[in-house]
Amino acid sequence: DAGITQSPRHKVTETGTPVTLRCHQTENHRYMYWYRQDPGHGLRLIHYSYGVKDTDKGEVSDGYSVSRSKTEDFLLTLESATSSQTSVYFCATSSAGKDQPQHFGDGTRLSIL
Amino acid sequence: QKEVEQDPGPLSVPEGAIVSLNCTYSNSAFQYFMWYRQYSRKGPELLMYTYSSGNKEDGRFTAQVDKSSKYISLFIRDSQPSDSATYLCAMKPPSGGGADGLTFGKGTHLIIQP
Repeated sequence: DAGITQSPRHKVTETGTPVTLRCHQTENHRYMYWYRQDPGHGLRLIHYSYGVKDTDKGEVSDGYSVSRSKTEDFLLTLESATSSQTSVYFCATSSAGKDQPQHFGDGTRLSIL
Repeated sequence: QKEVEQDPGPLSVPEGAIVSLNCTYSNSAFQYFMWYRQYSRKGPELLMYTYSSGNKEDGRFTAQVDKSSKYISLFIRDSQPSDSATYLCAMKPPSGGGADGLTFGKGTHLIIQP
């Protein structure tokens, strides 16, 4: 597929701890996205990036921050994790050009106790 | 009312049957429509990507868009047990020139019985 690797694949942590999830892509795609997937809600956009150091908020951005210092890496940080952030997190990428399709990684399963 | 409605199922059909999966939406700005397949503990895999109204066929899969009714469908012919998965519809308006998030349905869980 689009050569997207997410790490870690699984993580269990405690409320109040910081957590960083990493998305790495090998396709040189310009745009990158973070979504979360929860039962009863489907996939929802958290943050996205339209270039190095260029990011913006999505639908459910509260409690999350992102950074993109290189084209290939997009980091999602939970500064102080809460139980409501227990979810499966997916990274997606799309190439430059209008209306290109998004391709997804295999997700990070995050549990916050 | 949610922007995108999709019956969660499960939908169970015998092998070889024609499967019809559907989504309705309320935002008339949506112009691009996608179907993703998601296996358990895996990421969504793009199956079909269509623009505006009409049909698009790819092998056993046909995507259909009816903008006047705000209704999209995915048909799977000669269904196989390997088609058992969750199918997600997604859509978006035309790009403003940069990145755009997708709006997803909740997904339909499909089971193909051997």
